[in-house]
Amino acid sequence: SQKIEQNSEALNIQEGKTATLTCNYTNYSPAYLQWYRQDPGRGPVFLLLIRENEKEKRKERLKVTFDTTLKQSLFHITASQPADSATYLCALDMSGRGSQGNLIFGKGTKLSVKP
Amino acid sequence: EAGVAQSPRYKIIEKRQSVAFWCNPISGHATLYWYQQILGQGPKLLIQFQNNGVVDDSQLPKDRFSAERLKGVDSTLKIQPAKLEDSAVYLCASSITGGAGTEAFFGQGTRLTVV
Repeated sequence: SQKIEQNSEALNIQEGKTATLTCNYTNYSPAYLQWYRQDPGRGPVFLLLIRENEKEKRKERLKVTFDTTLKQSLFHITASQPADSATYLCALDMSGRGSQGNLIFGKGTKLSVKP
Repeated sequence: EAGVAQSPRYKIIEKRQSVAFWCNPISGHATLYWYQQILGQGPKLLIQFQNNGVVDDSQLPKDRFSAERLKGVDSTLKIQPAKLEDSAVYLCASSITGGAGTEAFFGQGTRLTVV
């Protein structure tokens, strides 16, 4: 079965620095990969989606890369702010891979940005 | 646009009791998901509906969990009888078409404590 690893349970960085979060998966590559943000007591909120044929996607201070050879996605937050502190979840979108659109989530990385 | 509504927000029950959760997805969304999120873990898919049909329930413990989506809109998830290990947040999500590069919108979740 598909396994997802987000390599850090927690990541602490200083305000203004770039946060880099990693998502690795096993077995076959998803058609899409999504990143979500989850704040305590709330449901996940969608941030970015990247397709298997895209190398990089940007949205404001966020950047996602997707390397199907390495089976890895990197999620970057540039010029990080304390308000970026949250748990970030990687999700594999298995559409067209023998399933009908399941989203399989990793455990998440808890990011803390210190002022 | 109204988001995904879930109720109740919190529920405490004794083991062996039964409990039901309710979800109202975003209007027009064909796909509805129920996820279980244990503290410190990522969301785990329990069941996925496309309109009122089940797409995937492979990880639903069918001896105690059941779910239905009447008329392809609202959904209920039931646990009977509950076990201590069912303590978790139950998240409902919906998407327009289901996977295929579409984002999922989550409700705030129902926090279940089984004592």
